[in-house]
Amino acid sequence: DAKTTQPNSMESNEEEPVHLPCNHSTISGTDYIHWYRQLPSQGPEYVIHGLTSNVNNRMASLAIAEDRKSSTLILHRATLRDAAVYYCAASLRTSGSRLTFGEGTQLTVNP
Amino acid sequence: KAGVTQTPRYLIKTRGQQVTLSCSPISGHRSVSWYQQTPGQGLQFLFEYFSETQRNKGNFPGRFSGRQFSNSRSEMNVSTLELGDSALYLCASSFTGLAGGETQYFGPGTRLLVL
Repeated sequence: DAKTTQPNSMESNEEEPVHLPCNHSTISGTDYIHWYRQLPSQGPEYVIHGLTSNVNNRMASLAIAEDRKSSTLILHRATLRDAAVYYCAASLRTSGSRLTFGEGTQLTVNP
Repeated sequence: KAGVTQTPRYLIKTRGQQVTLSCSPISGHRSVSWYQQTPGQGLQFLFEYFSETQRNKGNFPGRFSGRQFSNSRSEMNVSTLELGDSALYLCASSFTGLAGGETQYFGPGTRLLVL
C-alpha cells in the first residue's frame, strides 16, 4: 500500500493562508491523493482530491509536486472553523475506493 | 439528500461478546467501505462491499466480517470481542468505488468500547 506521512501538528493565524504538507513517495502514477478533515466526534469530511495537476474547489487548493512524491493542501484564508485534523490519503486505482490514510495533522487556528 | 447514517452511535460490550454495526449509505451509492479508527493505529481500512459482494479486504482477522444487502445497506460484525477492538468504526459510501478518484462520504461512526 502507498504510505503517506504528515507533520503531527501545525498552527496558523485566522485569515492567513495555511499550507499542509504530505509526503507520498511510494504512490504510483495512477494513485489519487485525497484530503479529508475530521472534527471531534465526527467522521472525516472530504476536502479535495487530485491525480497529477493542481486542483481547486470552494474549500481549498491541492498542489501536487511534479514528481508526485508530495502534495500540499492550501487553505487560502484560515478560519476558526478550519481547526481540525487533516488527513492525506492515497487511493490505488487497482484497489478502488480503499483509502490509505496518513496519521493526520492537527491544525490549530489562532484568533 | 441524507448523509451516511450509522447505528448505534455508541456501544459498550464485554470481552468475548459479539457486536453488529449498521450503515445506511447515501441514496444511490452502491459502494460501502468500513474503517477502524484508534489513537494508536489511526484510520485503517477493514473492507468494502459493492453489489452485495466483498470487493476489497484490509488486514484484519477473520473475527471482523461484513455484508451488504440489496438496498446497499451494510452491516459489520465483530465476534469474540477483545479489548483492542475498542475503536471508532466508520462507514463510507460512494457511487461505484471504482478507479480511486471517487469521493467517499463518511458517516459519524459508531464508538465501541470493550470492557
